[in-house]
Amino acid sequence: DTGVSQDPRHKITKRGQNVTFRCDPISEHNRLYWYRQTLGQGPEFLTYFQNEAQLEKSRLLSDRFSAERPKGSFSTLEIQRTEQGDSAMYLCASSLRAGGRAEAFFGQGTRLTVV
Amino acid sequence: DQQVKQNSPSLSVQEGRISILNCDYTNSMFDYFLWYKKYPAEGPTFLISISSIKDKNEDGRFTVFLNKSAKHLSLHIVPSQPGDSAVYFCAVSIQGAQKLVFGQGTRLTINP
Repeated sequence: DTGVSQDPRHKITKRGQNVTFRCDPISEHNRLYWYRQTLGQGPEFLTYFQNEAQLEKSRLLSDRFSAERPKGSFSTLEIQRTEQGDSAMYLCASSLRAGGRAEAFFGQGTRLTVV
Repeated sequence: DQQVKQNSPSLSVQEGRISILNCDYTNSMFDYFLWYKKYPAEGPTFLISISSIKDKNEDGRFTVFLNKSAKHLSLHIVPSQPGDSAVYFCAVSIQGAQKLVFGQGTRLTINP
């Protein structure tokens, strides 16, 4: 399967711990996005990479959050000193711009529960 | 402030009939509109999109209509099938921006 892959699928952590999630985009896609989804809401944009450059960050991305895409391939999202409010589904998506707009393809997400 | 609204949290439709999902947006600068479908425990799956230069786009059983003056988007599914039961999200973007802004979603249930 050559879709967007996220790891782990589920993560339970104690408040105050650090967590890191990984996303492997579709191999030829140069754009990678992180979104967060809470219950009853649509996905909310967190950050966007074009190749290895992080070009946009949402105000939702507090300084406890950091994302990297070191070689323009996979990406990691780290949350430091987790809080209960960080409990959510973290979604990664990728796209390839070819001329006009390109639709984003999403992974299955990482569900984070902070206890 | 909610820039994209899906006012119906849920919708129930008989199999074989038409399903109509609605979405309203507030910013006239939005110029690209998409619908995603989401099953439980999976990420959203792209369904269909439309640019602001069009008012209709069709793909098989799925048709998206755009009414720019009303800032309204709708998705028609006909005929509806049990496998269409899922949560549907509309999403919008602005030319030059990469992020998508999503609505809250509508849970569609197709009854046999």
